[in-house]
Amino acid sequence: GENVEQHPSTLSVQEGDSAVIKCTYSDSASNYFPWYKQELGKRPQLIIDIRSNVGEKKDQRIAVTLNKTAKHFSLHITETQPEDSAVYFCAASKDGNKLVFGAGTILRVKS
Amino acid sequence: EAGVTQFPSHSVIEKGQTVTLRCDPISGHDNLYWYRRVMGKEIKFLLHFVKESKQDESGMPNNRFLAERTGGTYSTLKVQPAELEDSGVYFCASSPPGQGAYEQFFGPGTRLTVL
Repeated sequence: GENVEQHPSTLSVQEGDSAVIKCTYSDSASNYFPWYKQELGKRPQLIIDIRSNVGEKKDQRIAVTLNKTAKHFSLHITETQPEDSAVYFCAASKDGNKLVFGAGTILRVKS
Repeated sequence: EAGVTQFPSHSVIEKGQTVTLRCDPISGHDNLYWYRRVMGKEIKFLLHFVKESKQDESGMPNNRFLAERTGGTYSTLKVQPAELEDSGVYFCASSPPGQGAYEQFFGPGTRLTVL
């Protein structure tokens, strides 16, 4: 079955710097890749997603890139702010079936 | 519009006891998923309902776990008898008809501690 690996497990950046979180997946048939953000004590929330027919998607300060050949995708956050501090999860899905998640990345933005 | 709700928010039980978790999806969402996150690890899929039918229960760890969704509305997940390794945060998620795993909305989770 699908396996998703996520790196790094923790990431500390200075406010204003960029943050990059990377994920690799094993099943080349996976075609949907969402990113969830979970703030402390709150529910995971979808922040951006990408489907395999595009290579990049942006939404304000966040972007996701997908490399189907290498089977990896990345989350990019620019101009980080303290409110970006959270746990970020990547996931993969084939045809909208179950999500297979990575282990999460704790992002700390230091002000 | 109310989001996905879960009850209880926390549960502390002793090994061997029974616990029932409840999830109320967003109204009109046919798809309902259960996931579990054990401390520091990935969020793992448990099962997927479409209305009242189990679409995929491949992630259920063993027969101590029983999920139901009578009437296709709320769902319950019962653990009986609970073991230490069942501790973790249990999430429920829902999505509209035909959306499957796309744009799932998560509940706040139930933190289960088995002593």
